[in-house]
Amino acid sequence: AQSVTQLDSQVPVFEEAPVELRCNYSSSVSVYLFWYVQYPNQGLQLLLKYLSGSTLVKGINGFEAEFNKSQTSFHLRKPSVHISDTAEYFCAVRGTSGGSYIPTFGRGTSLIVHP
Amino acid sequence: EAQVTQNPRYLITVTGKKLTVTCSQNMNHEYMSWYRQDPGLGLRQIYYSMNVEVTDKGDVPEGYKVSRKEKRNFPLILESPSPNQTSLYFCASSSAQSLTSPLHFGNGTRLTVT
Repeated sequence: AQSVTQLDSQVPVFEEAPVELRCNYSSSVSVYLFWYVQYPNQGLQLLLKYLSGSTLVKGINGFEAEFNKSQTSFHLRKPSVHISDTAEYFCAVRGTSGGSYIPTFGRGTSLIVHP
Repeated sequence: EAQVTQNPRYLITVTGKKLTVTCSQNMNHEYMSWYRQDPGLGLRQIYYSMNVEVTDKGDVPEGYKVSRKEKRNFPLILESPSPNQTSLYFCASSSAQSLTSPLHFGNGTRLTVT
């Protein structure tokens, strides 16, 4: 079985400040990792994904995430946030064998950017 | 344009009145899934399908039914809706062969059961 833990349910931050949204996972097999973003009144869309290779992954809208295998983490970062980044962010994992290929989602982190 | 289309976007109904939420994708994806999203609980999987005529229960299947008669369609059926099924529902699809393929989501259906 695999699981995803997003350690913060809500992260308030001021505009132009840096932000980190934390994600830890557990799995008995190799995994692929994803971050999705959900803007108000919309569905989820892919922000970035880690498949293999470089542990630093860049996504859309200036976000990046770093895969750390030893700490089983995949934290999302942005050096300077904008008001328009206010959204719900979901971390997800997809295993590479057996039933683990069914995606598993964290509970989400609400990023609230204040002016 | 590649997309997952859900209908309706908003639905208000009464307890016990059967309803169907439709989901269609145009990407020839094998894998399709239904989720419900509730405050503080994140996304919870209701049912999923790996291919035509193959469906499986997710984490919260009680009170729901699905069918997969065609590859592109995956309707969610509530035979006798109850107020605790008031929620925001999402359909998603993905390639089953390629595990690196992300999920593509519909825009959601906000259901209120009174």
